[in-house]
Amino acid sequence: NAGVMQNPRHLVRRRGQEARLRCSPMKGHSHVYWYRQLPEEGLKFMVYLQKENIIDESGMPKERFSAEFPKEGPSILRIQQVVRGDSAAYFCASSRDPNTEAFFGQGTRLTVV
Amino acid sequence: AQSVTQLDSHVSVSEGTPVLLRCNYSSSYSPSLFWYVQHPNKGLQLLLKYTSAATLVKGINGFEAEFKKSETSFHLTKPSAHMSDAAEYFCVVSAATSGTYKYIFGTGTRLKVLA
Repeated sequence: NAGVMQNPRHLVRRRGQEARLRCSPMKGHSHVYWYRQLPEEGLKFMVYLQKENIIDESGMPKERFSAEFPKEGPSILRIQQVVRGDSAAYFCASSRDPNTEAFFGQGTRLTVV
Repeated sequence: AQSVTQLDSHVSVSEGTPVLLRCNYSSSYSPSLFWYVQHPNKGLQLLLKYTSAATLVKGINGFEAEFKKSETSFHLTKPSAHMSDAAEYFCVVSAATSGTYKYIFGTGTRLKVLA
């Protein structure tokens, strides 16, 4: 059973471009969480999704950021018109249900130049 | 509301000496508590977790933590530090709140191990 897979591992974008980060949860997991880690900081919750539904997006910036978890395929975190401040590591986690342990992916490190 | 406070941002120990990383939590519900380790430019690895079973939890690599409800603490310890333990450690609280379930991370403690 493969773990949570995130790709790409590293992503470089110029200011104003779009960044798309993908997360494939563990087999049998239908709950996905996205976190952001700014340099020298802890992880901050962004959004919690269950298949085709956004359950909690209280940590998502109001503009430029969106997330989806379609019925088929990976979860996508999309950042439009990236700015330098978006440079961070973005981690995805998945769990079988809300009350069980979440497993984390290796993260995608986004650098905006 | 849930929160977690890691009391030390940096800890330095000599190789072979004990490690103590402190964590206090706040939760309105019965929490689950976790410790994760992150090596430089790597992902997160689960060290151990507490989910209302035994209060002394043993994890990987010789780490353990004790859940003390009266002190709202979940400190991480290891009897003898190894050079490979140098990393960032995160204490995490998780509890269902308002129908959602998410992890709240502490700000991290960077462990340095001196030869």
